[in-house]
Amino acid sequence: QQQVKQSPQSLIVQKGGISIINCAYENTAFDYFPWYQQFPGKGPALLIAIRPDVSEKKEGRFTISFNKSAKQFSLHIMDSQPGDSATYFCAASTAQSSTLGRLYFGRGTQLTVWP
Amino acid sequence: DTAVSQTPKYLVTQMGNDKSIKCEQNLGHDTMYWYKQDSKKFLKIMFSYNNKELIINETVPNRFSPKSPDKAHLNLHINSLELGDSAVYFCASKTSGRREQYFGPGTRLTVT
Repeated sequence: QQQVKQSPQSLIVQKGGISIINCAYENTAFDYFPWYQQFPGKGPALLIAIRPDVSEKKEGRFTISFNKSAKQFSLHIMDSQPGDSATYFCAASTAQSSTLGRLYFGRGTQLTVWP
Repeated sequence: DTAVSQTPKYLVTQMGNDKSIKCEQNLGHDTMYWYKQDSKKFLKIMFSYNNKELIINETVPNRFSPKSPDKAHLNLHINSLELGDSAVYFCASKTSGRREQYFGPGTRLTVT
């Protein structure tokens, strides 16, 4: 069972546009929601993360919006650039010691930004 | 450079062989993971170690055996390799009390 559902599978955006990727979860024990960026041939790199006690977190052009009641969160990339072209993964984890912070990943979104 | 490193980067081998992948982190972390990324890029946890102790074994065939000689190293040994084992394997690490996980560059395993 997919613990974190991510959409869309692929996204094409023009340079300067806004890229939006959405994720949804069911497990209310999740309390940490990171986004990872992966370039071809590289490992996932932590981009930005949010906890459910805030509704939004912004770092530069990247913003996470979090809706606890809807159990949804999204990544917004403002002023998208060709260098942002990558695969983006949302993830979630719990604070339960038995899980050791294991991440449950969405299936990824392939973002292409056209110049 | 402080990082999570993996060797080898690429591994091509035949069915039935036994191979190992090594992971080292110099971040001072005490928790390490192995994730598998399949051909559709889905990332799924395989194992997790904390202070050299196996904590998570995520229904992985027992042909896969992780070993952690110390907190900075986590190796993955795979026996009797099968075609379905072809994937990219990522090592990750974090420190207790913090949630951020840092990934290595991956090892692309191809079984022919």
